[in-house]
Amino acid sequence: QVQLQESGPGLVKPSETLSLTCTVSGGSVSRYLWSWIRQPPGKGLEWIGYIYNSGSTNYNPSLKSRVTISVDTSKNHFSLKMGSVTAADTAVYYCAREILVPGGGYFDNWGQGTLVTVSS
Amino acid sequence: SYVLTQPPSVSVAPGRTARITCGGNDIGSKSVHWYQQKPGQAPVLVIYYDSDRPSGIPERFSGSNSGNTATLTISRVEAGDEADYYCQVWDSSSDRRVFGGGTKLTVL
Repeated sequence: QVQLQESGPGLVKPSETLSLTCTVSGGSVSRYLWSWIRQPPGKGLEWIGYIYNSGSTNYNPSLKSRVTISVDTSKNHFSLKMGSVTAADTAVYYCAREILVPGGGYFDNWGQGTLVTVSS
Repeated sequence: SYVLTQPPSVSVAPGRTARITCGGNDIGSKSVHWYQQKPGQAPVLVIYYDSDRPSGIPERFSGSNSGNTATLTISRVEAGDEADYYCQVWDSSSDRRVFGGGTKLTVL
């Protein structure tokens, strides 16, 4: 059973860059799609983007200008960087594995989530 | 961009059947997936590919999808089913993954 674990600072200052890492155990990041998803307090889920095939990426158009997802296969983890953050980026950030099926993929494994607060 | 519409809340008595809908333009042509999220926890996949259940998910959970509406049905509802439920699809026109706004299921 694959397990995912998010890590990174819980507090980021406005205008700075949010950086998170998702460490994968029980499976290889060289297979499947790996996504970041966030959830502002008391609100719904928002897909941020994915990485697959050790480098190909796709981002939510609403965040694309500020987001970079990368992968380190030697450490079996993938990372999220989001620049120019504001209070609106305060959220629980999840990493998840996506399984592709005809008509679209689903997220079968999720990390526990990590709360990132943007505040000075 | 593709929009999924869910009712904010659904209430049901224990032992009865809960139905949570997810509306979208021609959603019947897409694969719909459903997640259960309890307070303070990560989402858990309960239905994928419209109606398939992952291992470990009770048979009480089922799904259907046709036309402009997908439905998650929970039979013989238990107190432990109280949670937020989200539907999700792939928007092929933009290659985005889209979530519905979520439905809070309350067990009376």
